Amino acid sequence: QQPVQSPQAVILREGEDAVINCSSSKALYSVHWYRQKHGEAPVFLMILLKGGEQKGHDKISASFNEKKQQSSLYLTASQLSYSGTYFCGLNTGNQFYFGTGTSLTVIP
Amino acid sequence: GAVVSQHPSRVICKSGTSVKIECRSLDFQATTMFWYRQFPKKSLMLMATSNEGSKATYEQGVEKDKFLINHASLTLSTLTVTSAHPEDSSFYICSTEGGQYYGYTFGSGTRLTVV
Repeated sequence: QQPVQSPQAVILREGEDAVINCSSSKALYSVHWYRQKHGEAPVFLMILLKGGEQKGHDKISASFNEKKQQSSLYLTASQLSYSGTYFCGLNTGNQFYFGTGTSLTVIP
Repeated sequence: GAVVSQHPSRVICKSGTSVKIECRSLDFQATTMFWYRQFPKKSLMLMATSNEGSKATYEQGVEKDKFLINHASLTLSTLTVTSAHPEDSSFYICSTEGGQYYGYTFGSGTRLTVV
C-alpha cells in the first residue's frame, strides 16, 4: 500500500536537474510533496489536487497524472540547499500514505 | 501556516520506564493530530490518529497499550511510550492536517533512545 518512489537515491552536481517519481496502487485524490533534512521533520513543499495539475515554485515543480496514479517532482538547476530526502504523500480519500522516499544529494 | 511544537527533541531513558512526548498546536485548534514513527533512512509510518475528546485510532500492528495517546484539548496531544524497550528507539513525529489546500505541518520530532 505504501507508494513507491524512484529513484531511491540520486546524486547531482549543482545546476543539474532531477526527477523523482511516485507511484500508487490505489486511486488518488491528491498528492503532497515534502522534503526532510537529516534529523529534522519533513517540510511541506506543495499539494496537487486535481489530475493533470502541475504546480511549481522557484525551480521545483510537480505534476499529477490521476489516470496513471502517479506524480513526479521536478527539480531544475539544483542548489546545495535541495539536498535531503523527498517524500510524496498520497491521499486515497480515506487514507494518507507517505512514499518510500528518495535521498537527493547535491554536490558542488 | 500552522505551527506545531513538539517536546522533548531528544530523550534517553532506561528500559522499563515510560516516556511522554508532547505535541502542541500553537496558533490553531487541532481536532486531529497524527503520530508517526520513523526508522533511520526509512519513510514515516503512521502509528495513530489522535482525536480531541475521543479515543485515538491506531494503525494495524501498533500496540495500543504500549503507545498511549491522549488528546485532551484542542492544542495538545501526547504520546506515552510505556515500559520502553530498546526496540522502541526511534524518531517520533507528530503532525496536523492542514486542510484541502495545505499540507501537513510537522512537529520537530523526538529522538527516543532506550538503553
